[in-house]
Amino acid sequence: SQTIHQWPATLVQPVGSPLSLECTVEGTSNPNLYWYRQAAGRGLQLLFYSVGIGQISSEVPQNLSASRPQDRQFILSSKKLLLSDSGFYLCAWSVPGAFPDTQYFGPGTRLTVL
Amino acid sequence: AQSVSQHNHHVILSEAASLELGCNYSYGGTVNLFWYVQYPGQHLQLLLKYFSGDPLVKGIKGFEAEFIKSKFSFNLRKPSVQWSDTAEYFCAVTPDSNYQLIWGAGTKLIIKP
Repeated sequence: SQTIHQWPATLVQPVGSPLSLECTVEGTSNPNLYWYRQAAGRGLQLLFYSVGIGQISSEVPQNLSASRPQDRQFILSSKKLLLSDSGFYLCAWSVPGAFPDTQYFGPGTRLTVL
Repeated sequence: AQSVSQHNHHVILSEAASLELGCNYSYGGTVNLFWYVQYPGQHLQLLLKYFSGDPLVKGIKGFEAEFIKSKFSFNLRKPSVQWSDTAEYFCAVTPDSNYQLIWGAGTKLIIKP
């Protein structure tokens, strides 16, 4: 069966520090991968999605970037965090080529920027 | 811009009460509709989905939702809620041929035992 992992679960970082959040998926090949940010009372906002290694689409301009160095690994990064980057970050995957599809979510990372 | 509205941010019910959570979207074309649920301490997971066919769809744990195209709505229902239904519920829509899910703000449902 497929599983999705995210780490760390929680993170407290100072403003201006770098960020790296990691997401890995097991049990499937070439999944579609997504990064979301969930703000309280505002639902989920899609940040990036990827349909293959090295293929990243950005949905909103921001201080963050994403990379997919391996088939089942998706990384969310920032060179310098802002206070406004605080939030709950979710990674998700879906079956490749199956659209419309169901997305399966990881446990999330709670990021606090101080 | 496309958007999804969930009218109630917080709902409190007693066990055995009937539930209806509203979801409306703003998009005139073909859409695919989802309800996701996040139980306390658990991952966000799919509750049910509508892609085509019978507009009344049934999901897990006795939930159902009805797609009414003329009203741009996809309301979630359950005839008799249980304490274990306490969770946050999210409606999401994806326009056809688009990977992006557009999410509602969520409804926090609390069931009093």
